[in-house]
Amino acid sequence: RKEVEQDPGPFNVPEGATVAFNCTYSNSASQSFFWYRQDCRKEPKLLMSVYSSGNEDGRFTAQLNRASQYISLLIRDSKLSDSATYLCVVTSPPTDKLIFGTGTRLQVFP
Amino acid sequence: DGGITQSPKYLFRKEGQNVTLSCEQNLNHDAMYWYRQDPGQGLRLIYYSQIVNDFQKGDIAEGYSVSREKKESFPLTVTSAQKNPTAFYLCASSIQRGTEAFFGQGTRLTVV
Repeated sequence: RKEVEQDPGPFNVPEGATVAFNCTYSNSASQSFFWYRQDCRKEPKLLMSVYSSGNEDGRFTAQLNRASQYISLLIRDSKLSDSATYLCVVTSPPTDKLIFGTGTRLQVFP
Repeated sequence: DGGITQSPKYLFRKEGQNVTLSCEQNLNHDAMYWYRQDPGQGLRLIYYSQIVNDFQKGDIAEGYSVSREKKESFPLTVTSAQKNPTAFYLCASSIQRGTEAFFGQGTRLTVV
């Protein structure tokens, strides 16, 4: 089983839609979780960290479910500029190296 | 400006030649990482270092080597032993292990 798994998509949604991605992780001892955004042929950029209590940054909401070992990302009021690949990242104990999922591609259309 | 600098952005090499990719950061971060990304694929960890003069193999270290003689620098050498070296190489750093990482712009290596 992969350490981090994501649905590759693509998710094709109209502008203004709400879309959610999930990411599952295999190591119950993982402590830190992040969402990154990667545009085509560019480097990944940190979108947000994911905290146990859940957190929100504008139109983006991230949540952690430790019991079921998944994290989620909700995007409200999608914009054309949200089109990108969204990468889930989990730390892997005991070294806490960062393990990336393969990403979920989002395409927002007019 | 603080950040992570990878150079060069594009690199072409003949098969059988070793090549070294540069990664420098001025963020005073302890941890540094090298990832490889193939078209349509996720990031795979090659090597990582959590402190100067120490580094560990990632999931695909074969055919690669690194050094961490200075906190700011973490060069990656792609050796002739790497069977499929053509890829997008990404260097990242984080303030310490387990914290969010920030990436350089990457180096696209093409071996012909």
